[in-house]
Amino acid sequence: DIQMTQSPSSLSASVGDRVTITCRASQSIGSYLNWYQLKPGKAPKLLIYAASSLQSGVPSRFSGSASGTDFTLTISSLQPEDFATYFCQQTYNSPPYTFGQGTTLEIK
Amino acid sequence: QVTLRESGPALVKPTQTLTLTCTFSGFSLSTSGMCVGWIRQPPGKALEWLARIDWDDDKYYSTSLKTRLTISKDTSKNQVVLTMTKMDPVDTATYYCARMTWFGELFAAFDIWGQGTMVTVSS
Repeated sequence: DIQMTQSPSSLSASVGDRVTITCRASQSIGSYLNWYQLKPGKAPKLLIYAASSLQSGVPSRFSGSASGTDFTLTISSLQPEDFATYFCQQTYNSPPYTFGQGTTLEIK
Repeated sequence: QVTLRESGPALVKPTQTLTLTCTFSGFSLSTSGMCVGWIRQPPGKALEWLARIDWDDDKYYSTSLKTRLTISKDTSKNQVVLTMTKMDPVDTATYYCARMTWFGELFAAFDIWGQGTMVTVSS
């Protein structure tokens, strides 16, 4: 199975900060990378698909990029509602579609 | 509006079989390209992809759990069922079902999720 290594596991930041979360794939996965946001008691939310495409309805402060097997989720200016846990997921070729370990974004 | 809702027991005993049902609306699993998957998250841990079933009844499973999982669908009821045998306390988790969407026929993502159902495995 393809392994996804996500970092950092946790991150403290302030409203208005720019934050970056990284995922590294254990092999080439092209642009087959998604990012999700999880909040307690709520349905997970798709933010980014195909490494850099913004899902409909997601604020433009969220963006994704790719360089080889490294993928980045950037939040340009943190808002209070962005404090949550974020996961990357690869969907390269056939399943299984593995997830990263997650990054918890906390208020500083 | 697309919605999915998971249902099943909140508590199961070790060695028992867990049966979870995903009831959805707003789309049909008989439509070409439609897929539904199951994902779980143990408390404080990462998401784990479990299984997927496609409109044409193709099925895919987690490598590590495939001997314990069975996914099926009832198109007439708009339901997908996941069974997991030989439950163990390490299987305690929130279990989610989600619709998988294809973007540009190449890129797949779970675009709509249920809120999840917490399952505790304990005697």
